[in-house]
Amino acid sequence: DQQVKQNSPSLSVQEGRISILNCDYTNSMFDYFLWYKKYPAEGPTFLISISSIKDKNEDGRFTVFLNKSAKHLSLHIVPSQPGDSAVYFCAASAGANNLFFGTGTRLTVIP
Amino acid sequence: SQTIHQWPATLVQPVGSPLSLECTVEGTSNPNLYWYRQAAGRGLQLLFYSVGIGQISSEVPQNLSASRPQDRQFILSSKKLLLSDSGFYLCAWSRQVDYGYTFGSGTRLTVV
Repeated sequence: DQQVKQNSPSLSVQEGRISILNCDYTNSMFDYFLWYKKYPAEGPTFLISISSIKDKNEDGRFTVFLNKSAKHLSLHIVPSQPGDSAVYFCAASAGANNLFFGTGTRLTVIP
Repeated sequence: SQTIHQWPATLVQPVGSPLSLECTVEGTSNPNLYWYRQAAGRGLQLLFYSVGIGQISSEVPQNLSASRPQDRQFILSSKKLLLSDSGFYLCAWSRQVDYGYTFGSGTRLTVV
């Protein structure tokens, strides 16, 4: 049972425009959410996170929005750059031990 | 600073052969350790996690096993590999009170 879902397997965006990656979850006990970025043949690297007590967290070009009532979060990248091309995983946690990951969205930023 | 090492980077093994993937963490003590698998067309699937030496929790029943013989060492094993075991295996660690994970560089396993 996939508790964290990324329904768009791929996304293409022009350089300089906004990239919006979406993530939905089913477990209302999740209280911490993270985004990871992954290049081919490498391990995922942490990008940005948000606690359930917030609805927005910003770090440079990256902003994560959390809508608890809709059990939805999104990652905005503005402006998008070719180096942002990667697979992005959404993850959620209901405690300190386990992270549940989505299936990933492959972002392609077109120069 | 903390670092995580995972090896080998790639591995091609015949069906029915054994498997041993090793992961070590440096620069921290008593980390939570994890084994994930990324299979084609799927997300990151948690296989095992460990909160201490000798303590292993299995999330998905399969023919894989994990062991933690030392505080900063986590080993993924199989006695007999199946074709379906092919995938990208990732080791990760986290502090006990944090949520963020740091991943290793991964092992691409191909079972032929």
